[in-house]
Parts: sequence; C-alpha cells; structure tokens
Amino acid sequence: QAQLQQSGPGLVKPSQTLSLTCVISGDGVSSNSAAWNWIRQSPSRGLEWLGRTYYRSKWYNDYAVSVKSRIIINPDTSKNQFSLQLNSVTPEDTAVYYCARGTAAAGFDSWGQGTLVTVSS
Amino acid sequence: QSVLTQPPLVSAAPGQKVTISCSGSSSNIGNKGVSWYQQLPGTAPKLLIYENDKRPSGIPDRFSGSKSGTSATLGITGLQTGDEADYYCGTWDSSLSAFVFGSGTKVTVL
Repeated sequence: QAQLQQSGPGLVKPSQTLSLTCVISGDGVSSNSAAWNWIRQSPSRGLEWLGRTYYRSKWYNDYAVSVKSRIIINPDTSKNQFSLQLNSVTPEDTAVYYCARGTAAAGFDSWGQGTLVTVSS
Repeated sequence: QSVLTQPPLVSAAPGQKVTISCSGSSSNIGNKGVSWYQQLPGTAPKLLIYENDKRPSGIPDRFSGSKSGTSATLGITGLQTGDEADYYCGTWDSSLSAFVFGSGTKVTVL
C-alpha cells in the first residue's frame, strides 16, 4: 500500500480558493496502474468523489459534475504529489477532504488522514 | 440523495451475521464492479472488498461481498464489537462519469 500525507489550511473564506496537497510515498504519481483521487465527506452530502488524475502514457483528469467548473487536480512529478484546487468556495464546501489512491475497478486502497476544511468568514 | 441506496442501520448480537445491501441501477452496479469500505469513527474509510467479492490482503474472511444484477451485498460473519462502524458501497457510474458512494450503513453490535 502507498502512504498518503495531506497538508493544507483548515479554514478558507467564502469566495476564495481551497488548496490541499497530498504527498505520496510507496508509489509514484506517474504510475501506469494507479489513479489519484480527491474525496470529501460531510454530514449533508456523505462521501463524495470529486475527481482524479492519472497517467497512461499521458495525463488525464476526470471531475465530478457537481464541481467541474471550479476544480483542478494537478500532479507534481518532481515532488511525487498531487494537489486539489477548488475555487469560489461556499459554506457548502465545508467537509473533511481525503486524498486516495485507487481506480474504480480496484477500489480506493490507500487514503490520506483527512483534512477538515471549514469555509467561513 | 445518493445514487446507491443502503439501509441506514443494521444490528446484531456478537457472533451473529449481518448483511448490508447496496441497490443501484444499470448505469452503475449493473455493469461495474463494486467496492466496500469500513469507516471507524474519526478515521478514513478502509477498503474491505473490491471487484464485488475480492478481499485485499489483511482483510479477514469474515467479510464477504457479492453482486446480483443491480444490487450488491456485504456480509459480516462472527460479528465483533470492533466491527461497529459505518459501511459504504461504491462503484463507477457510466451515466455520471463519476465514482459514486452509497448513503452508508451503521452497524451496531447489540
């Protein structure tokens, strides 16, 4: 299993940008068999998959429709990590955010520790 | 409203068996593999089952998965107090082009 370590602020003001980073050990962000995901969890929305980045001879990204206009997930091969950027946040974006390794077929087998992000002024 | 429907609560005595259902449609469970996750309080979800019925290494065989049509089931035998947790199913939805999770089921040991 890979180990994933998340970092980023726990408080973001409304209309600003939420930014989180997930550092990978035990695997590579450029792996040809893994995908790197962001998932969030809140009492109102449950577990919600936000998107993923993965490398299969070139880089691909998939995003959930609910956040597609506001989200960017970027790999950073030099630091073996990937990041989440969610723009124009509102209090509805308050949640625990997780990074996770996995594919739809194989499931998410490695998770970060989770980061509670609160959107409030 | 989750795309995948699970019962909110399942309970049984220690040593007994519980089953958790996950109901979907032809755009998700009907043609994609299902995974199951256990979430203990205050921790990240943990993968229990993938591809409907496969267990990752280290997961005891008390946990089992199956799928039939547009529904999947997680079974837990020999229930222990340490199994008290929330359980979620998940799969890819081809109509949404997104991974979707179930609404979650809380397992309590009586």
